[in-house]
Amino acid sequence: DTGVSQDPRHKITKRGQNVTFRCDPISEHNRLYWYRQTLGQGPEFLTYFQNEAQLEKSRLLSDRFSAERPKGSFSTLEIQRTEQGDSAMYLCASSYPGQTEQYFGPGTRLTVT
Amino acid sequence: DQQVKQNSPSLSVQEGRISILNCDYTNSMFDYFLWYKKYPAEGPTFLISISSIKDKNEDGRFTVFLNKSAKHLSLHIVPSQPGDSAVYFCAASVYAGNMLTFGGGTRLMVKP
Repeated sequence: DTGVSQDPRHKITKRGQNVTFRCDPISEHNRLYWYRQTLGQGPEFLTYFQNEAQLEKSRLLSDRFSAERPKGSFSTLEIQRTEQGDSAMYLCASSYPGQTEQYFGPGTRLTVT
Repeated sequence: DQQVKQNSPSLSVQEGRISILNCDYTNSMFDYFLWYKKYPAEGPTFLISISSIKDKNEDGRFTVFLNKSAKHLSLHIVPSQPGDSAVYFCAASVYAGNMLTFGGGTRLMVKP
C-alpha cells in the first residue's frame, strides 16, 4: 500500500465555481479525516468518517461544503460557490478506529482567483 | 481560541546538537499528544506520540516529554541532522481516533 492519495494535487478555480476533491485512504483504514491548512497555520479539522458514516463536522464546514464517503472507501469533499477565503491546502488523513496517529496524504492545494 | 500553541515560529540548530521544540495546550481534556513533521509540498508525517498517563516516550533520536501540570510538551531531537529541517507541528486529541487539534508549527533549520 502506498499510503493516502489525493487528487488533484493542485486546483485553480474562479470565484463562484464548484470544486470537488478526492481522497483514497490507506486500505483497511476505517476512519477518514479532512483538514484544511492555510499559510502559516497548522491544519484545522473539518470532518471525519467511520466507514460511510460522517461522525463529526467542524463549524468551519459551512453549508457550501459537503463531504461524502459513499462506500466506506474513498471520500470526496465538494465546495460550492467558492470564495477567495477558501484558498488553502485541503488534507486528508486515515487511521484505524482507536488508533492515535493519523496518516496524511499530500494534500490538494486550492487557489480561488 | 487556540487550544494548542507553539510559541516559537522558528528554531535554528547546528548539526549534531540537540533540537528542542516546545508546545503548550489549554484544554485539560486532551489525552493524547502527537508530533508531526512536514516538508514543503507534502502532507504531515507522524513522528511520535504520548498518552497522558506517561511523561516520556522515546523513539530513536526523538523523545517527547509531557508535563501535564504545566500543560506543556516538548520534542527533543538528538543528534540533529540536516534532513530534520522541516516544519514541526504538535497536535492533541481528547481520545484516540478523535480529531486532532494542531499548533501553528515551528520551522526547524539544522545547519551543517
